[in-house]
Amino acid sequence: EVQLVESGGGLVKPGGSLRLSCAASGFTFSSYSMNWVRQAPGKGLEWVSSISSSNSYIYYADSVKGRFTISRDNAKNSLYLQMNSLRAEDTAVYYCARDRTAMVTSVWDYWGQGTLVTVSS
Amino acid sequence: QSVLTQPPSASGTPGQRVTISCSGSSSNIGSNAVNWYQQLPGTAPKLLIYSNNQRPSGVPDRFSGSKSGTSASLAISGLQSEDEADYYCAAWDDSLDVVFGGGTKLTVL
Repeated sequence: EVQLVESGGGLVKPGGSLRLSCAASGFTFSSYSMNWVRQAPGKGLEWVSSISSSNSYIYYADSVKGRFTISRDNAKNSLYLQMNSLRAEDTAVYYCARDRTAMVTSVWDYWGQGTLVTVSS
Repeated sequence: QSVLTQPPSASGTPGQRVTISCSGSSSNIGSNAVNWYQQLPGTAPKLLIYSNNQRPSGVPDRFSGSKSGTSASLAISGLQSEDEADYYCAAWDDSLDVVFGGGTKLTVL
């Protein structure tokens, strides 16, 4: 059974940093692109970042470019999101999502349960 | 302001057919495939339709998708109470972004 479990969320002050993790199991992690998608409270979905299976392709939304860094450790079956210079508008539930293929698409067939990040003083 | 435009709400009675539209531009829907996600209350999104009209295994054939030009549609036939959810369209944009619609809240009356 495919499972994605996010962790690392919490309360952080504006300007602070946080590192999210996503532990994957039940599939060959190194064969799939992975993604972070967020949802602000009461709002819609927003794509954050994507990374291809072999780290060859990495993409970021303009809203996080230069502040967030996506990475993965295929040996540990884990996906990460390093978030720096956090702002109030980064407050959201952050979902880890698996792509259907090794390449980056917008077809995400498995999602984690999400982890809440709150940026507030 | 979302790049893709969806109606904020839609409704129907059990058994009815409902359609949800998604409008974009030549740089996203016009040149890339559209995917649809269903988000039941309090849960993570779920892939409903991919590549414009393909259903993942396990998704009932009551759900169907189509695309024409810079617009796409999700149709739900034989509406059921458990279909009450938020629905989002998404597509790659040629600027190397993934863009979403603002979401449509479907109410089953």
